[in-house]
Amino acid sequence: GIQVEQSPPDLILQEGANSTLRCNFSDSVNNLQWFHQNPWGQLINLFYIPSGTKQNGRLSATTVATERYSLLYISSSQTTDSGVYFCAVELEGGSEKLVFGKGTKLTVNP
Amino acid sequence: DTGVSQDPRHKITKRGQNVTFRCDPISEHNRLYWYRQTLGQGPEFLTYFQNEAQLEKSRLLSDRFSAERPKGSFSTLEIQRTEQGDSAMYLCASSMYSEAFFGQGTRLTVV
Repeated sequence: GIQVEQSPPDLILQEGANSTLRCNFSDSVNNLQWFHQNPWGQLINLFYIPSGTKQNGRLSATTVATERYSLLYISSSQTTDSGVYFCAVELEGGSEKLVFGKGTKLTVNP
Repeated sequence: DTGVSQDPRHKITKRGQNVTFRCDPISEHNRLYWYRQTLGQGPEFLTYFQNEAQLEKSRLLSDRFSAERPKGSFSTLEIQRTEQGDSAMYLCASSMYSEAFFGQGTRLTVV
């Protein structure tokens, strides 16, 4: 099945720093989403981005579908950005389920 | 639009007991998904409904697991004869086209 790899697995930043999270996937996809999992376990939608670039405040994302990767940029990080960030993809021509990476655990220190 | 709602939020049960979880999707979303997440891992797909039809089940869904979505609205996930290995977060999601939205999850602890 499709493989989804996220890097780095862990990231520690000082408040105000910028960061880039990466998601590589092994096959063509119909759908790619980025989520932030809050401390209570809920997955919060950040971006639906099967291709192209989107921005929402301090966060932006770029997916290069032909090269099978996506990047999530966090600028001017805040302590509330801490948590686990997941990339999830839906295989092109496959079933309509999301396959998740193992996540990047981000810790932002004050 | 109140989002995806799951009940209960937490469940502690003794090994061997049966448990049932409920998921109410975003209204008018025709697709509903169940996922399971264990500590340190990403969510893993369990099963998927389009309206009331269960279209796919993962190999993770053993015979002790059953899911229903009567009338294509809310869904239930039942686990019979729970085992300690069933301890996990059970997440429900719904979608209309492609973007999926998740509920707050049900955290199951089997003791």
